[in-house]
Amino acid sequence: EAGVTQFPSHSVIEKGQTVTLRCDPISGHDNLYWYRRVMGKEIKFLLHFVKESKQDESGMPNNRFLAERTGGTYSTLKVQPAELEDSGVYFCASSPPGTGRYGYTFGSGTRLTVV
Amino acid sequence: GQNIDQPTEMTATEGAIVQINCTYQTSGFNGLFWYQQHAGEAPTFLSYNVLDGLEEKGRFSSFLSRSKGYSYLLLKELQMKDSASYLCAPQTGANNLFFGTGTRLTVIP
Repeated sequence: EAGVTQFPSHSVIEKGQTVTLRCDPISGHDNLYWYRRVMGKEIKFLLHFVKESKQDESGMPNNRFLAERTGGTYSTLKVQPAELEDSGVYFCASSPPGTGRYGYTFGSGTRLTVV
Repeated sequence: GQNIDQPTEMTATEGAIVQINCTYQTSGFNGLFWYQQHAGEAPTFLSYNVLDGLEEKGRFSSFLSRSKGYSYLLLKELQMKDSASYLCAPQTGANNLFFGTGTRLTVIP
C-alpha cells in the first residue's frame, strides 16, 4: 500500500512569491490533515478535510493560506504571498473514516524556506 | 486551548529502559497517540491509548490516565536506532491531533 506522499520535498522561494504544496493521501482515507512545524516549535494543526469538505480550518494562520481538496482525493495548500515566517516543514496526514483510532499516517513533509 | 508538556531531551544507554512522560490539557479528548520521528522523516505511529491503563506492544508500552491528563511511553531494551524524537499527541473530540514539542531521545553505547 502506498503511503502518504507529498510534493515537493523541498521548496525555496522568495518573500512575496506563491508556492503550492501537494499531498496525496492513502487511497480510501477520507480524513486528510495539514500540519506545520516551524523551527524549534511543536507540530501545529492547520486544517482537516473529510473527503472534499473542510471539517476544521481553525489552525490556518491567515488568509494567505488556501487549502483545497477537489474531488476528495489529493489536496493542495497554497501560500500566497509567502512571508519569511511561513518557513517550516508542512506535513500532511491521512486516516480512514471514523474516529481515527487507527492512527494518522504522515507524509515525509515539504520543507519550505522563504528567503 | 491545548497544552502539552514533555521533556525536551533525554539520554539513555543501549539496553536500558527509558520512560518519557507527557502531561496534557485539551479541549475535548478522545485518546492519545505516541509517534516516533527520526530527523527529516515523517512521524510514525507507535501507540494509541483511549482507556486508562497500559498498552504493550513489543519493546514499547504506553500508559494513560485520563483523570490526571498524563501519559508515558516506556521503551525497553533500548537500541541505537531508537534515537529519535518522541511526540505525545492527544486527540481532541474533533479528531484532530495536537502535538507537544517532542522529546529528543539519544541512546548511547
